[in-house]
Formats: sequence, C-alpha cells, structure tokens
Amino acid sequence: GEDVEQSLFLSVREGDSSVINCTYTDSSSTYLYWYKQEPGAGLQLLTYIFSNMDMKQDQRLTVLLNKKDKHLSLRIADTQTGDSAIYFCAESKAYSSASKIIFGSGTRLSIRP
Amino acid sequence: EAGVAQSPRYKIIEKRQSVAFWCNPISGHATLYWYQQILGQGPKLLIQFQNNGVVDDSQLPKDRFSAERLKGVDSTLKIQPAKLEDSAVYLCASSLDRRGSYGEQYFGPGTRLTVT
Repeated sequence: GEDVEQSLFLSVREGDSSVINCTYTDSSSTYLYWYKQEPGAGLQLLTYIFSNMDMKQDQRLTVLLNKKDKHLSLRIADTQTGDSAIYFCAESKAYSSASKIIFGSGTRLSIRP
Repeated sequence: EAGVAQSPRYKIIEKRQSVAFWCNPISGHATLYWYQQILGQGPKLLIQFQNNGVVDDSQLPKDRFSAERLKGVDSTLKIQPAKLEDSAVYLCASSLDRRGSYGEQYFGPGTRLTVT
C-alpha cells in the first residue's frame, strides 16, 4: 500500500535538536526524502537517502533509515528560528524513467525562545 | 536556473465556475507533476506527465479536472465546474529523471484556490 505517516506537530527550544519521525509502508521504495515547506511557498528538498543506506549526514541534518521497521527520521541539530516550517517525509517509487513520490501529511515544527 | 513558474498565485471563484492554472517547468525537465494540497495535508498527486504523455492520472477527478502539456513544456490544469471541496493549493513540480538521478522534484510556489 501507499501510506506515509508523521506526527502533526513538534515544538522545540531554540538551540536544541529536533527529531521528526516518519513511517512508510512500501518496502520497495528506492529513495526517501525530507522536504521543507515555509508559509506561502512550495516544497523544497532538504535531503534524501537511498534505500540501501542507514544514515546520511549533511551539515546540521542527520537522516536515519531503519528499513526493517520502515522508519525514517530527520534530526536537525542546533535548531534555529529559521527552521520553523512544515517538514514532509516522502517515499519514491520508480517506474520506467519517471518517479512518483508519495508524501506524508507533514510535521509542523515550531521553535520556542 | 529559473525555477518552476506558476500563475496565478491566488484565485477566488464561486462554485460551478471554471478556473485554469498555468505552469512552466524548469527548462529541460521532462517530467511535470500537478499536486493538490488541502490545508493541513501533504501534496496529493493529480497527474504526472513525461514529456507530453500522461504517466499517471489515477487520482485526477476526470469528471471535472483536465490537464494538458502541449509540446512537452508548459502545462495547464483546469477545473470545470469547481466545487467547494476543490479549495486547496495547486502545486506544480518538475524533475529531470535521468538515469542515475535521485528523482528530486522542484516545486513552484503554488496557486491558492478558494471556492465560495
């Protein structure tokens, strides 16, 4: 089936780490993504991980993938006010030469001073 | 490079009226997507084009929605007639989808449609 689930809200203190979690159902997914959406804007790719990897680090971002449990997480270190946004987890399915992406409902991250 | 362009940014119409949205993808991107994003939800794929052919339109309500991508570049999405539940942001995205790419989709800013 096609289902990507995330918690709706997360509130963290500025300077702390944020961890956003996601579960997906399709074990055949090739890539998993984290997209960021700021108010009034389209989605922007933050990072992605190939399905045969366990972890990927990119500056303040760390992605962990547990294929057995179909669980994906995004950790943002030293969270700043500019990180306030909605974060979407997504999985891809490739067919022929085009890929289809299924998005979760998004986690709204708010930062407390 | 220029991003994905969409117009209009906002549209307010009455139910039973018709509306059209336009999208210009990033130059060279073969794949174009239209998504519907209802408030509080993630984007839901409506239709996917590869060049000017349809790859997937399984989620497109074909009794009222139509889309075309003439010449494999620009695309228009039309709703006729609109219903109240069509109120949403309509996002256009494009991707390169060459062998070895990771399928990143580039999104436009969206068109916010309000149906009254």
